[in-house]
Amino acid sequence: NAGVMQNPRHLVRRRGQEARLRCSPMKGHSHVYWYRQLPEEGLKFMVYLQKENIIDESGMPKERFSAEFPKEGPSILRIQQVVRGDSAAYFCASSRPDRDSGYTFGSGTRLTVV
Amino acid sequence: QKEVEQNSGPLSVPEGAIASLNCTYSDRGSQSFFWYRQYSGKSPELIMFIYSNGDKEDGRFTAQLNKASQYVSLLIRDSQPSDSATYLCAVRVSQKLVFGQGTRLTINP
Repeated sequence: NAGVMQNPRHLVRRRGQEARLRCSPMKGHSHVYWYRQLPEEGLKFMVYLQKENIIDESGMPKERFSAEFPKEGPSILRIQQVVRGDSAAYFCASSRPDRDSGYTFGSGTRLTVV
Repeated sequence: QKEVEQNSGPLSVPEGAIASLNCTYSDRGSQSFFWYRQYSGKSPELIMFIYSNGDKEDGRFTAQLNKASQYVSLLIRDSQPSDSATYLCAVRVSQKLVFGQGTRLTINP
């Protein structure tokens, strides 16, 4: 029973390039959440999605960031025109719709902007 | 005021002692509370959740909730060096979990 799958594990981008982070939720989980973690800081909520719907994007920066969770395939977090300040660990989590038992996190994508 | 607050530590506890981690939250309507453990360079791992006032025990871990005082705590009995990690408190606010900044715990052999 695979857990939450994120890829890539590490991503290096030059300033101005685009970064695409992928997340496949656990089997049976239909809710996906993206969080960002800067070094020595807690997890900051970015966006909550269900299939084909963005439910809450209150934590997403207004520009350059977007997220989707299509009917088929993984959830994608896209960062356009990356800047050094985007360097962080990005975690995806998933949960079941019928049970409030917390989230299961993926192993994260470490984005480094050079 | 932050929605979820934790003492960032570091908290040092001798091996075999009880480690006590605290968390306060601002949304009085919150109903679900979670503790995650995160080792350096790894992803958060759920270790406890609690919904009702009082204590909930699971092995060496006890979560305590006091909704009137808006605090949640985590006790770790018989602390082991392998318990050294950052512990994140999370509270459900609307449809998402809001995390505290985490408390770094070190167990000294």
